Amino acid sequence: EDKVVQSPLSLVVHEGDTVTLNCSYEVTNFRSLLWYKQEKKAPTFLFMLTSSGIEKKSGRLSSILDKKELFSILNITATQTGDSAVYLCAVETGTASKLTFGTGTRLQVTL
Amino acid sequence: NAGVTQTPKFQVLKTGQSMTLQCAQDMNHNSMYWYRQDPGMGLRLIYYSASEGTTDKGEVPNGYNVSRLNKREFSLRLESAAPSQTSVYFCASSAGTAGKGYGYTFGSGTRLTVV
Repeated sequence: EDKVVQSPLSLVVHEGDTVTLNCSYEVTNFRSLLWYKQEKKAPTFLFMLTSSGIEKKSGRLSSILDKKELFSILNITATQTGDSAVYLCAVETGTASKLTFGTGTRLQVTL
Repeated sequence: NAGVTQTPKFQVLKTGQSMTLQCAQDMNHNSMYWYRQDPGMGLRLIYYSASEGTTDKGEVPNGYNVSRLNKREFSLRLESAAPSQTSVYFCASSAGTAGKGYGYTFGSGTRLTVV
């Protein structure tokens, strides 16, 4: 059975802090790993990672994948209150692009 | 720019009632999916359709049926609703090409309560 585990489950930080969110996985037929941001509605896409060691970056967010150790991290620097959300990690498997999600990390950024 | 359209957005059912959640996409995607999300959990796959005319079970298929009516539409049916099916349901579609997970598009969700 495919499994995706995220940590921590929740996190409270002050505005301006840097946070690291973790995602580990055990799946068969790995295709890609994806990060989503969810704010009380449908998940919105952040990153897709397919190759080890190549950092993807978008503004203050970055992510990297380690396919040998089977994990990924999502970094957010200089956090803002608008970053408060649930961050979901998902692994795409198989030819039908099924996604297996972790339970998410709930991030709260306070002033 | 409709993307994936789900109806209804909200629904309250009594235990034992039936209903169908509708989903349509206008991106000419091959694959479509139904997920459910419970409080404090990520999304779990109920059923998916890799291409028109095919459907397969996901992680939590019990109590549900699906129909891939055509390439655009993928419906989810609850034949006899149970309180355990109270959840938020998301439909999604993708081009279905492996390694192209960024092509996933989610609908806005259906909040279903079974009393």
